[in-house]
Amino acid sequence: DTGVSQNPRHKITKRGQNVTFRCDPISEHNRLYWYRQTLGQGPEFLTYFQNEAQLEKSRLLSDRFSAERPKGSFSTLEIQRTEQGDSAMYLCASSLPPRTGNTGELFFGEGSRLTVL
Amino acid sequence: QKEVEQNSGPLSVPEGAIASLNCTYSDRGSQSFFWYRQYSGKSPELIMSIYSNGDKEDGRFTAQLNKASQYVSLLIRDSQPSDSATYLCAVKGYSNTGKLIFGQGTTLQVKP
Repeated sequence: DTGVSQNPRHKITKRGQNVTFRCDPISEHNRLYWYRQTLGQGPEFLTYFQNEAQLEKSRLLSDRFSAERPKGSFSTLEIQRTEQGDSAMYLCASSLPPRTGNTGELFFGEGSRLTVL
Repeated sequence: QKEVEQNSGPLSVPEGAIASLNCTYSDRGSQSFFWYRQYSGKSPELIMSIYSNGDKEDGRFTAQLNKASQYVSLLIRDSQPSDSATYLCAVKGYSNTGKLIFGQGTTLQVKP
């Protein structure tokens, strides 16, 4: 499978615990995005990497959230001291850099569903 | 005002009818526009992208863009029950990040 891979697919944790999600993008994609989606809403942008550099982070993103992409390949999203409001689907997407003929399409993984009790 | 707005629906149409989904956006500098389909419990998948004013057709799907009115729409002809899903409008702004801003999605129900 050469698509975007995310794990774990489901995570149930207790409030106050830390959780980490991993995303493996499509191999030739140098851009990687994290989104969060709650029921009935569209995906909400969290942060974005180009290669290993984190180029943008949502102003709405709490400092309990941190993302890394140390070697420009896979990425991790860590949530510290989880709260019930963090319960959501965390989506990872990847894309090619903009150039002629590139649609700018984001390819999404299947997501990691977090439930905070 | 939200950056990308969609009517959440649900929009209900009979099988074989035309479904019309609408989206407005606030950033006049937006350059690229996308329609994603999302089945319940699944991740979004791209249906169509459009960059220029006018219509773009792909099979049963037609995307329409009017930058002056900051409006983009998706028409689904000969709607099938398998088209029942949430349709997400996404907009790429002027910046070079490639970040897409999504609307809340419109739920479409196609009744047999």
